[in-house]
Amino acid sequence: AQSVTQPDIHITVSEGASLELRCNYSYGATPYLFWYVQSPGQGLQLLLKYFSGDTLVQGIKGFEAEFKRSQSSFNLRKPSVHWSDAAEYFCAVAPGYSSASKIIFGSGTRLSIRP
Amino acid sequence: DVKVTQSSRYLVKRTGEKVFLECVQDMDHENMFWYRQDPGLGLRLIYFSYDVKMKEKGDIPEGYSVSREKKERFSLILESASTNQTSMYLCASRTHTKDQGNTEAFFGQGTRLTVV
Repeated sequence: AQSVTQPDIHITVSEGASLELRCNYSYGATPYLFWYVQSPGQGLQLLLKYFSGDTLVQGIKGFEAEFKRSQSSFNLRKPSVHWSDAAEYFCAVAPGYSSASKIIFGSGTRLSIRP
Repeated sequence: DVKVTQSSRYLVKRTGEKVFLECVQDMDHENMFWYRQDPGLGLRLIYFSYDVKMKEKGDIPEGYSVSREKKERFSLILESASTNQTSMYLCASRTHTKDQGNTEAFFGQGTRLTVV
């Protein structure tokens, strides 16, 4: 069965510092991978996605993620965080081409920004 | 823009009541999903539907049922609400294209349900 692990429950970084949020998945084939962000009181917004091709994908708000098949990982990075990046971040995985497939989410990582 | 609309932002219901949560999407998406979100547990899939009148159980279907009579509408039903169903409920929809397969899911704003 597919699963997603986000090992860090809560991370605090200083404003302007770099960020890396970890995500590991379990799935037999290459899945579709997503990162979402949820600001307080808001719904989920897609940051970026990976289907195939270049393993380094660029997203909105200056985020990027790298797919590493050998490590079953899809870590999210940002070179310099801003106070507005404080939010909860979710990694998600879905099988590829089945039209009846579900998306499975990790437990989330809450990001706090130190002034 | 894709719009997924959940009928209520906040609901307070009594134990034992039958509760309906409604979700409507306006982009003709085939797939629709209901998740519940609890602190530290992330989003857990309750049910999903890949076509009208078609549904599949997710990871935590106990105590819930769903209805999809029209493509744009997906309802979550709590047959007899209990306090442990107090949670944030999120609806999502997604399309499936010939070229790319599945796309990302688009989410509604959520319904915060409190059962007292």
